[in-house]
Amino acid sequence: DGGITQSPKYLFRKEGQNVTLSCEQNLNHDAMYWYRQDPGQGLRLIYYSQIVNDFQKGDIAEGYSVSREKKESFPLTVTSAQKNPTAFYLCASSPRTSGGFNEQFFGPGTRLTVL
Amino acid sequence: GQSLEQPSEVTAVEGAIVQINCTYQTSGFYGLSWYQQHDGGAPTFLSYNALDGLEETGRFSSFLSRSDSYGYLLLQELQMKDSASYFCAVPHQAGTALIFGKGTTLSVSS
Repeated sequence: DGGITQSPKYLFRKEGQNVTLSCEQNLNHDAMYWYRQDPGQGLRLIYYSQIVNDFQKGDIAEGYSVSREKKESFPLTVTSAQKNPTAFYLCASSPRTSGGFNEQFFGPGTRLTVL
Repeated sequence: GQSLEQPSEVTAVEGAIVQINCTYQTSGFYGLSWYQQHDGGAPTFLSYNALDGLEETGRFSSFLSRSDSYGYLLLQELQMKDSASYFCAVPHQAGTALIFGKGTTLSVSS
């Protein structure tokens, strides 16, 4: 089955530790995205990548880093510089790399709790 | 900057019709999308409007007025399973990423 996987579903970390969230897709999509969702809030864009080895900052990139070494994978690292990292993190992908209609397909999300 | 406004909550009963409004501010316009998200789940695409008018997909329809920077999602024949959050979204800086509204939580009761 084609889709997007994120692991783990729940993640607990101590304050001050870096943590990497996994995102893999087998949809052969060029573009991938990371969003953060807080309770009662919409999705906020962290980083996105439209092609391998290239990525752009979204609206809330501070304290996060990404890599795109393979088309299928777009891991997100939450660093200790992120002041309030506890949130629900959603990864998505889409087939297009230009504007206009561009349906995004989301993974199941990772709920990160920093203790 | 880009921003979207939508009501935070809407309640309705089974079988009813509900409309969720969305107003947006963007530097350019490249379409308005709607996504549904059940509690704790992944958002799923519902509808997209690039031109003015109504797009119908089964029980769901979406409307756009570019001159008013306004759109809405219309849900008909409501079912309990329609209880979810609904987000409107526009492209981020003319690219493929999206900027989402804060979402409207729809509660359907029997």
